[in-house]
Amino acid sequence: DIQMTQSPSSLSASVGDRVTISCRASQNIRVYLNWYQQKPGKAPTLLISAASTLRDGVPSRFSGSASGTEFTLTIKNLQPEDVATYYCQQSYTSPPVTFGHGTRVDI
Amino acid sequence: QAQLQEAGPGLVKPSETLSLTCTVSGGSMINSSYYWAWIRQAPGKGLEWLGSIYYSGSFYYSPSLESRLTMSVDTSKRQFYLRLTPVTAADTAVYFCARVWVEVAYSYDFDLWGPGMLVTVSS
Repeated sequence: DIQMTQSPSSLSASVGDRVTISCRASQNIRVYLNWYQQKPGKAPTLLISAASTLRDGVPSRFSGSASGTEFTLTIKNLQPEDVATYYCQQSYTSPPVTFGHGTRVDI
Repeated sequence: QAQLQEAGPGLVKPSETLSLTCTVSGGSMINSSYYWAWIRQAPGKGLEWLGSIYYSGSFYYSPSLESRLTMSVDTSKRQFYLRLTPVTAADTAVYFCARVWVEVAYSYDFDLWGPGMLVTVSS
């Protein structure tokens, strides 16, 4: 199975900062990588699909990119409502489904 | 606007059966673009996919759970189901049901989630 390695596991930043979260796949998954946001006590929501496609209603300060097996979620101008845990998930060989272990973002 | 809602017992005894229902409202389950899935999250842990089922009943299970897991669907009731047996304390988690968009090649996007429900395994 494909393994997804997310880093860092947690980070703390200030309002207005630019934040980057990485997710590395153990093998080639082309661009088939999704990002989810899970706010405390809530269900996850799909933020970005296919590495860089922003879902409807997601603020434009969120963006995703890919380079080989390395994927990046970027939050520009971090806002208080962005406090959450972010997960990556590869869809290239799903099922089975593998999620990254998550990155907690605090302010 | 489709919505999902989990329901079932919040407390299950060890060695017994965990049974959950997910009700789909605001849309039909009979849609070739979607699978229907269960995902869980142990306290303080990450997301674990359990399995997915199509409206026709075809399914995929997590290899680590397939010996204990059964999923089923009833499109007339707009419901799908999870059955996990026997359970241990390690199965204590928030259980989410979700819709999986599979329309495009290599897509497997969990695009709609229920709010989740905590199931505790304890005597």
